[in-house]
Amino acid sequence: DQQVKQNSPSLSVQEGRISILNCDYTNSMFDYFLWYKKYPAEGPTFLISISSIKDKNEDGRFTVFLNKSAKHLSLHIVPSQPGDSAVYFCAASHNQGGKLIFGQGTELSVKP
Amino acid sequence: DGGITQSPKYLFRKEGQNVTLSCEQNLNHDAMYWYRQDPGQGLRLIYYSQIVNDFQKGDIAEGYSVSREKKESFPLTVTSAQKNPTAFYLCASSIQGWYEQYFGPGTRLTVT
Repeated sequence: DQQVKQNSPSLSVQEGRISILNCDYTNSMFDYFLWYKKYPAEGPTFLISISSIKDKNEDGRFTVFLNKSAKHLSLHIVPSQPGDSAVYFCAASHNQGGKLIFGQGTELSVKP
Repeated sequence: DGGITQSPKYLFRKEGQNVTLSCEQNLNHDAMYWYRQDPGQGLRLIYYSQIVNDFQKGDIAEGYSVSREKKESFPLTVTSAQKNPTAFYLCASSIQGWYEQYFGPGTRLTVT
């Protein structure tokens, strides 16, 4: 039972354009969502997060949007840069300080 | 430099042998976690520990064992009972009560 889903395994965008990565979830008890970025053969690094009491959180080029009624969140990267090329995982939790449930990841490729 | 150390980076074992993966952190985090990543899949939780001398099974604990004798250390043993041990293993830690987890660089285990 996949509680967090990233239905696009890959995404390719042109440098300077917007990248939009999507994530859907099924558990309405989730109250916190996170995005991680991962390069091959390395550990994921935390990127940005959002609490379920908000619908938007912005940090520089990265913005996360949360639509609770649709159980959907998205990560916007603008402008996209070649160094953004990586696998992006969304994660969710309903247990503060406890388990994170991860999606399958979306591989972003930003072409110069 | 504060961080999480996993060693070794690459590990090779013969089928039927137990193997222990190391995870050490000097972030003074109370909680520690072990995940496994397989190609095309997200991170799946194996075990987690929120305090010394206590740990809980994650979603895929069968064939694995852990110990938490020190706050800084959370070693994972992959036993011969684990049917598909070849994978990329990631250790993470977090402040107690916080959602954000910080990951080590990972260990790629290959069992033949």
